[in-house]
Amino acid sequence: RKEVEQDPGPFNVPEGATVAFNCTYSNSASQSFFWYRQDCRKEPKLLMSVYSSGNEDGRFTAQLNRASQYISLLIRDSKLSDSATYLCVVMYDYKLSFGAGTTVTVRA
Amino acid sequence: DAGITQSPRYKITETGRQVTLMCHQTWSHSYMFWYRQDLGHGLRLIYYSAAADITDKGEVPDGYVVSRSKTENFPLTLESATRSQTSVYFCASSDSLAGTYNEQFFGPGTRLTVL
Repeated sequence: RKEVEQDPGPFNVPEGATVAFNCTYSNSASQSFFWYRQDCRKEPKLLMSVYSSGNEDGRFTAQLNRASQYISLLIRDSKLSDSATYLCVVMYDYKLSFGAGTTVTVRA
Repeated sequence: DAGITQSPRYKITETGRQVTLMCHQTWSHSYMFWYRQDLGHGLRLIYYSAAADITDKGEVPDGYVVSRSKTENFPLTLESATRSQTSVYFCASSDSLAGTYNEQFFGPGTRLTVL
């Protein structure tokens, strides 16, 4: 079983739409959680950390459910520039485990 | 330019050859990492380093060797390349492993093909 599992998508949405997706993780002792963004096989970049109480960063909202071991990301008012692969990342013992990514395509 | 760089960006080699991928960062980050990324898999950790002369294995270390004689450099060597090592290799660095501050900064990647 993979440590971090994500629906690969793709999620095809029109501009202005809301899109949400989850990932699940297997290690209940995982300590920290992140979403990274990766464009067209370029390098991943941190989008946001995920806090226990949930957090927002502009149009992006992340939620953590430790009991069910899943993390979610919601993007409001999608922009063309949001088209990317979103990587769910979980930390345990100071090492990061990456999901394979969820691809989002925003169309005009 | 400041940041984290990798070289070469593209490499084609043959089975059995030794290949070294270079990684250089200018931030003086203590921690450095090597990952490989394959279709259908997330990034998988090959090796990491907490400081100069301190390295440790990650999830998929077999067939790879690393060294870190200087803080800024973290080369990855494939001792005898195999086709299964065809992949995109990313180097990353971080100045902290503490919780939500554990942001890793990635280099642009090296696309390696082993024929």
